[in-house]
Amino acid sequence: SQQGEEDPQALSIQEGENATMNCSYKTSINNLQWYRQNSGRGLVHLILIRSNEREKHSGRLRVTLDTSKKSSSLLITASRAADTASYFCATDFTGGGNKLTFGTGTQLKVEL
Amino acid sequence: EAGVTQFPSHSVIEKGQTVTLRCDPISGHDNLYWYRRVMGKEIKFLLHFVKESKQDESGMPNNRFLAERTGGTYSTLKVQPAELEDSGVYFCASSQVTGYPGEQYFGPGTRLTVT
Repeated sequence: SQQGEEDPQALSIQEGENATMNCSYKTSINNLQWYRQNSGRGLVHLILIRSNEREKHSGRLRVTLDTSKKSSSLLITASRAADTASYFCATDFTGGGNKLTFGTGTQLKVEL
Repeated sequence: EAGVTQFPSHSVIEKGQTVTLRCDPISGHDNLYWYRRVMGKEIKFLLHFVKESKQDESGMPNNRFLAERTGGTYSTLKVQPAELEDSGVYFCASSQVTGYPGEQYFGPGTRLTVT
């Protein structure tokens, strides 16, 4: 399966600290996307990084992609309590016809 | 611009009954996808429409699930008859670009509980 895995499964940090989440996948991809899900709500698209890109920034978010290791990381800098949510990576694998394969998710808790 | 909307937000039905979920994609988005997350497992792909045509339905679990997208606008996902293992959250997503990977925008999901 092309299923991705994320680690850690859960992460608890203090407000102001940085949070790093990692995602690994198994097959060649067209792009990798990160999503956030607040408790009981829908998925919010955070950032997309294409297979020919190595790093991308959006506000306090920094995403890296290493296609040789089939892995990606999401860094949230200067975290806030409002960042508390589940974070998922999703890959659009080559030949997969645009469907996304999701990772298992990381539950981030940012404490005051 | 309105995002992807789904209706209902929550449905509770008994085993053996029928339920129909609705998704309205972002206006102008040709691509529409259904995903679901059951019992704390990963979010999994169900199917993909391009306009009114089913592009990929490889994720549909069995023939109790029927998806339609009449006229290439909104889509419905019917489960008939529902089983206990169908409980979960059903997400709809849409995207604008056909043939080139792009961001998929998700709706809030429909939480289905089969008792």
